[in-house]
Amino acid sequence: QVQLVESGGGVVQPERSLRLSCAASGFTFSSYAIYWVRQAPGKGLEWVAVISYDGGNKYYAESVKGRFTISRDNSENTVFLQMDSLRPADTAIYYCARAPEVRAALNHWGQGTPVTVSS
Amino acid sequence: EIVLTQSPGTLSLSPGDRVTLSCRTSQTINFIYLAWYQQKPGQAPRLLISATSSRATGIPDRFSGSGSGTDFTLTISRLEPEDSAVYFCQQYASSPYTFGPGTKVEIK
Repeated sequence: QVQLVESGGGVVQPERSLRLSCAASGFTFSSYAIYWVRQAPGKGLEWVAVISYDGGNKYYAESVKGRFTISRDNSENTVFLQMDSLRPADTAIYYCARAPEVRAALNHWGQGTPVTVSS
Repeated sequence: EIVLTQSPGTLSLSPGDRVTLSCRTSQTINFIYLAWYQQKPGQAPRLLISATSSRATGIPDRFSGSGSGTDFTLTISRLEPEDSAVYFCQQYASSPYTFGPGTKVEIK
């Protein structure tokens, strides 16, 4: 069955870095775009970044542009989110989700990994 | 940026009620670029509806979507206790691929 498993979350100090991973299984990973969406405690969903099926196109929310980098390794069925210069406002659960293409609905989500940015 | 507004913020209804949730976009979007998600406490979101009205796999037919232009609606024809959740709309017409703030549906 389709699985997306996030990892790499944790507690980190402001201005430090963290790298999240999203490991996929149960489907043809290289045919899907992958999104990162986050949810701050008690808040709604915020789109963070998306990468196309081949890594050729990447888009970022303004709030993370220049600090976060999305990438993928189709040989390992994994997407990464490199998060640099972290801020307390980045504290959230980070979900990865797949979509048939960049401009498509997110039809399967992982369970999320929590990130806390605090001194 | 396309801003999404959802109303009402919270609904409290009884099992069997008909529920209508609204999602309004700040710009006209093609109907194929609007989705609805359901999120229960402690769980990841789940896709309910894509392209305004296309139910995702395994979604009961009591859920339906409609709309066009800037006004979109999610309808639950007969509310079930397990429908207690927050419902988000999302546009994927253009980056940033924004979500609405959500509507919380409570069961009396």
